[in-house]
Amino acid sequence: KAGVTQTPRYLIKTRGQQVTLSCSPISGHRSVSWYQQTPGQGLQFLFEYFSETQRNKGNFPGRFSGRQFSNSRSEMNVSTLELGDSALYLCASSAGRLGLDEQYFGPGTRLTVT
Amino acid sequence: GQQLNQSPQSMFIQEGEDVSMNCTSSSIFNTWLWYKQDPGEGPVLLIALYKAGELTSNGRLTAQFGITRKDSFLNISASIPSDVGIYFCAGQWIYNQGGKLIFGQGTELSVKP
Repeated sequence: KAGVTQTPRYLIKTRGQQVTLSCSPISGHRSVSWYQQTPGQGLQFLFEYFSETQRNKGNFPGRFSGRQFSNSRSEMNVSTLELGDSALYLCASSAGRLGLDEQYFGPGTRLTVT
Repeated sequence: GQQLNQSPQSMFIQEGEDVSMNCTSSSIFNTWLWYKQDPGEGPVLLIALYKAGELTSNGRLTAQFGITRKDSFLNISASIPSDVGIYFCAGQWIYNQGGKLIFGQGTELSVKP
């Protein structure tokens, strides 16, 4: 089975711009979660989508949003980029079975905001 | 943001030595997961634990789900150079939390050949 794929792998944007990141989960997985990883804050949960519905949301401003399509692929969008949004953005896919949930991560998208 | 307490933060060991790291939380979890991350890559799942008291092995790796459901440890036996990387614990509380994982700060492992 192919693993989780994320595109693009690297991105450089200017403050104030917006960005869209894409994640394709493992075939058959219906849950996609997004995380932000920075040296200062570590790995922080952004949101989770299951069957096209947001099931949970972390403590991030409304500039961070996401969606999931019927084929389980997911996108996250960050609007009005700030310097502090520079981070590695990781998505993880799982079958979504609560209590028996193994999350598998993609390689991440490295976002640099200048 | 909410995080688990993972220790030690870093370890420098000789090849062949055993390694132990642990995570503690003020909250109980239903699931504990252990990941390893190499530079520039996403975390790779090593071991998943689903029951309090559960002890699970994956090759030279052994992890346990604490009986209080608030802690977990990971042991690596007979370390080798490719064990180098950052190890993360992650806990999941499924009730009202969905698939959300809470991560520890990581343990950076260095192995001297």
